[in-house]
Amino acid sequence: GENVEQHPSTLSVQEGDSAVIKCTYSDSASNYFPWYKQELGKGPQLIIDIRSNVGEKKDQRIAVTLNKTAKHFSLHITETQPEDSAVYFCAASHGAGKSTFGDGTTLTVKP
Amino acid sequence: DSGVTQTPKHLITATGQRVTLRCSPRSGDLSVYWYQQSLDQGLQFLIQYYNGEERAKGNILERFSAQQFPDLHSELNLSSLELGDSALYFCASSASSNGQETQYFGPGTRLLVL
Repeated sequence: GENVEQHPSTLSVQEGDSAVIKCTYSDSASNYFPWYKQELGKGPQLIIDIRSNVGEKKDQRIAVTLNKTAKHFSLHITETQPEDSAVYFCAASHGAGKSTFGDGTTLTVKP
Repeated sequence: DSGVTQTPKHLITATGQRVTLRCSPRSGDLSVYWYQQSLDQGLQFLIQYYNGEERAKGNILERFSAQQFPDLHSELNLSSLELGDSALYFCASSASSNGQETQYFGPGTRLLVL
């Protein structure tokens, strides 16, 4: 089955710096890659997604890049703010709603 | 607020017992997904229903079962509970069945098995 590895498991940055989280996947059939943000005590919330026919997608301070050949995708957050502190999950979807999630990255943005 | 509701918020029970978790999807969404989130295992996909029918299955134990009713709400039944079943259980919903779109997550049910 699909395996998704996410790195790093924890990330601490100063406010205003950039943060990068990387994920690799194993199933070349995966074609949809969402990123979720989970705040304490809440359910995950989609922040950005990318499909396999696109190499990069940007939404304000958040961007995602996808390298299908290398089977990896990354989340980039620029100009980080304290409210960006949360757990971030990547996922790979390989059809019929079956998504495999990474183990999560705890991002701490220090004021 | 995602529009997905889950009840109860918290559940404390004993080993060997059976519990039922309930989920109401966003208005108009036909797919419901169930996930288990343990401290050491992240988010694990359990099962997906689409318009009342099972659509995809993940690593769901035989002691667990789910169904989606005609009004599209879903229930996850956990039986013969073990200590290791203690976790957060999330329900998510989406409009279609293909998993290639936003899944909206509920606030979760925290299950503690003593």
